[in-house]
Amino acid sequence: GIQVEQSPPDLILQEGANSTLRCNFSDSVNNLQWFHQNPWGQLINLFYIPSGTKQNGRLSATTVATERYSLLYISSSQTTDSGVYFCAVVSNFGNEKLTFGTGTRLTIIP
Amino acid sequence: EPEVTQTPSHQVTQMGQEVILRCVPISNHLYFYWYRQILGQKVEFLVSFYNNEISEKSEIFDDQFSVERPDGSNFTLKIRSTKLEDSAMYFCASRRPRSGYGYTFGSGTRLTVV
Repeated sequence: GIQVEQSPPDLILQEGANSTLRCNFSDSVNNLQWFHQNPWGQLINLFYIPSGTKQNGRLSATTVATERYSLLYISSSQTTDSGVYFCAVVSNFGNEKLTFGTGTRLTIIP
Repeated sequence: EPEVTQTPSHQVTQMGQEVILRCVPISNHLYFYWYRQILGQKVEFLVSFYNNEISEKSEIFDDQFSVERPDGSNFTLKIRSTKLEDSAMYFCASRRPRSGYGYTFGSGTRLTVV
């Protein structure tokens, strides 16, 4: 099946810093989503972005489908941004199941 | 914004007991899923459900698991005889029938088997 790798696995930043999280995937995809898992374990959908660029406040994401990667940018980090960020994809080859990456754990220090 | 609702949010059960996790998907969604996440690990696919039948299941989804859509609104996951290793967060998800839309996840049920 499709492989989804995220980097870095852990990231510790001061409040106010910017960060870039990366997601690489091994096959072409028709769905890519970024999620934030908060300290209570909830998966918060950030972006549905199988291609192109989207922005929502301090967060933006870019997916370059032809090169099989996606980037999540967080600007002016706040402590509430802490948590685990997951990339998840649906491969063009196979059934419509979402496959998750291993996540990036982001810790924002005041 | 429409939500996927899961109940209960937490459940503690004794090993060997049956548990039923409940989900109410978004009303115009036709594809339904269960995922699980063991503490500290990634989110894993369990099963997908469409048109009142299982469309795909993972190796994890063995004979002790079953899913049902009993009344056209609820979507349930039953674990017949729980084991310690079934302790995890279980997420329900649903999506629209057309492509171009993402999956919507519920807030999860944290299951602890003791």
